[in-house]
Amino acid sequence: DAGVIQSPRHEVTEMGQEVTLRCKPISGHNSLFWYRQTMMRGLELLIYFNNNVPIDDSGMPEDRFSAKMPNASFSTLKIQPSEPRDSAVYFCASSFREAGTDTQYFGPGTRLTVL
Amino acid sequence: SQKIEQNSEALNIQEGKTATLTCNYTNYSPAYLQWYRQDPGRGPVFLLLIRENEKEKRKERLKVTFDTTLKQSLFHITASQPADSATYLCALAYGSSNTGKLIFGQGTTLQVKP
Repeated sequence: DAGVIQSPRHEVTEMGQEVTLRCKPISGHNSLFWYRQTMMRGLELLIYFNNNVPIDDSGMPEDRFSAKMPNASFSTLKIQPSEPRDSAVYFCASSFREAGTDTQYFGPGTRLTVL
Repeated sequence: SQKIEQNSEALNIQEGKTATLTCNYTNYSPAYLQWYRQDPGRGPVFLLLIRENEKEKRKERLKVTFDTTLKQSLFHITASQPADSATYLCALAYGSSNTGKLIFGQGTTLQVKP
């Protein structure tokens, strides 16, 4: 099993540019999560999907952030326009929903630097 | 609002000793709690899950306790090894057990010295 795949692994961009992060969840998993990790704030949940439907996007910092999941094997997180304070490591995780558990499997992350 | 606290200071112990990490939470009644390990440059990896009606869970050298009265979980690594050096995160299920949403603590970094 390939695990959760994220691309790119590193992204350096200039303020104002659009950034798109990609995620391929583990096959068969029906929940997908996007997190952001910084030293100051730790691991924060941005948005999560169940069966490709966004369930909770209350963690999305502002309208500059958007996420889509067009099918069960692909999701994107877009930042437009990007700002230096968006610099962080962004993780995608997937899980197979069953009541009372929900172990999440994380990808390797995308390190985003906005200059 | 919900708050999860893990010791922000690094924990340094000698190889062979037992490491004990603490996770405290407030304003919260989680259905279950999970512990993850994170190595530098990598995503968190699941270790153990314990439900609200369980007091203790074990897996090889790992042991987790869950005290819903104290609102605290303890994570123990017995016979610690340098390879156990990493950051350990606790995560609480948010809302009902059916949401799948987790809230993570900041993590505690463990350093095991040979």
